[in-house]
Amino acid sequence: GQQVMQIPQYQHVQEGEDFTTYCNSSTTLSNIQWYKQRPGGHPVFLIQLVKSGEVKKQKRLTFQFGEAKKNSSLHITATQTTDVGTYFCAENSGTYKYIFGTGTRLKVLA
Amino acid sequence: DTAVSQTPKYLVTQMGNDKSIKCEQNLGHDTMYWYKQDSKKFLKIMFSYNNKELIINETVPNRFSPKSPDKAHLNLHINSLELGDSAVYFCASSPGGRNTEAFFGQGTRLTVV
Repeated sequence: GQQVMQIPQYQHVQEGEDFTTYCNSSTTLSNIQWYKQRPGGHPVFLIQLVKSGEVKKQKRLTFQFGEAKKNSSLHITATQTTDVGTYFCAENSGTYKYIFGTGTRLKVLA
Repeated sequence: DTAVSQTPKYLVTQMGNDKSIKCEQNLGHDTMYWYKQDSKKFLKIMFSYNNKELIINETVPNRFSPKSPDKAHLNLHINSLELGDSAVYFCASSPGGRNTEAFFGQGTRLTVV
């Protein structure tokens, strides 16, 4: 079945450093969504990318969708302690389920 | 005001017991889901419902029985709880269709002792 892997699994950064998580699928993706889950919280939708090569920005966050639509990345510039949490990529292919990536846990050291 | 609400937030129970988790959404969405999140944070689909009809049952043991009395509610009943059922269970909803986002409830942390 479809697998969506994320690397790294864990990342510790000093506050102010940059952070990137990568999402790789074994199959072509219809779209890619990114969610953030704070510690003890629930996944919250951040953004969706649909087009090949698409790039979107939200303040310090930059999201990219690969040209082949099989990978994506989330880059955070100058991390802050509020960025702590687990970041998931996911695909909604319209088949009544969201396939989530394995997640990247980010810890930001003040 | 909560869009997707689950109860209870925490559930501690003994092996062999039966328990239920309730979920309600006030977003008017047609599709609802149950996800299981294990200790490694993997989010795995268990069930999805569309307009009260079961669409996906992702090889979940028969001890888990979802019920959707109407499209705003999706409950999960678990029989004969086992240690391996300990996890966080998330209810979610979406408008359905591609390119729509999922809205999650706050989760139910189930601990089986």
